Amino acid sequence: GENVEQHPSTLSVQEGDSAVIKCTYSDSASNYFPWYKQELGKGPQLIIDIRSNVGEKKDQRIAVTLNKTAKHFSLHITETQPEDSAVYFCAASDGQAGTALIFGKGTTLSVSS
Amino acid sequence: DTAVSQTPKYLVTQMGNDKSIKCEQNLGHDTMYWYKQDSKKFLKIMFSYNNKELIINETVPNRFSPKSPDKAHLNLHINSLELGDSAVYFCASSQNPGGGGYTFGSGTRLTVV
Repeated sequence: GENVEQHPSTLSVQEGDSAVIKCTYSDSASNYFPWYKQELGKGPQLIIDIRSNVGEKKDQRIAVTLNKTAKHFSLHITETQPEDSAVYFCAASDGQAGTALIFGKGTTLSVSS
Repeated sequence: DTAVSQTPKYLVTQMGNDKSIKCEQNLGHDTMYWYKQDSKKFLKIMFSYNNKELIINETVPNRFSPKSPDKAHLNLHINSLELGDSAVYFCASSQNPGGGGYTFGSGTRLTVV
């Protein structure tokens, strides 16, 4: 089955800096890669996703890149703000019925002002 | 209107008791999921239903039994609760099985004492 590794487990940056979180996956059949943000006491919320036919996707200060050959995808947050502080999860799925999103172990991002 | 709602938000109970968690989604999605988040924040799939049919049943003790009376509802019943069942349980839904963005509920924090 799919295995998703996520690094780093914790990340501390100054406000205005960039943050990068990296994930690798094991199943070459995976074709959907979402990123979730979980704030304290809340459920994970989808912030951006990418499919395997696309190499990069951007939404304002957030971008995701995908390298299918290396089975590697990354989340980039630019101009970080204190409200970006949260736990971020990457996930992967092959999109087939009978499978579900497999999550990485999460990255706790702290943005200090 | 909350898209995916879970009740209760908090549940404290003694070992050996039986308890249920309810989930409802008003997004018109066909697929619903139960995930368990442990103390280290790891999100692990437990069950998935597509249009009332069980399609994913991960290695979960038989004490856990999901029930889907209709495609908008997915409940989780747990028998003979154990200390190790303490966790946050998240319900989620998606338009299709196996892929697409999931919408998560806000979670049920279960504490077994």
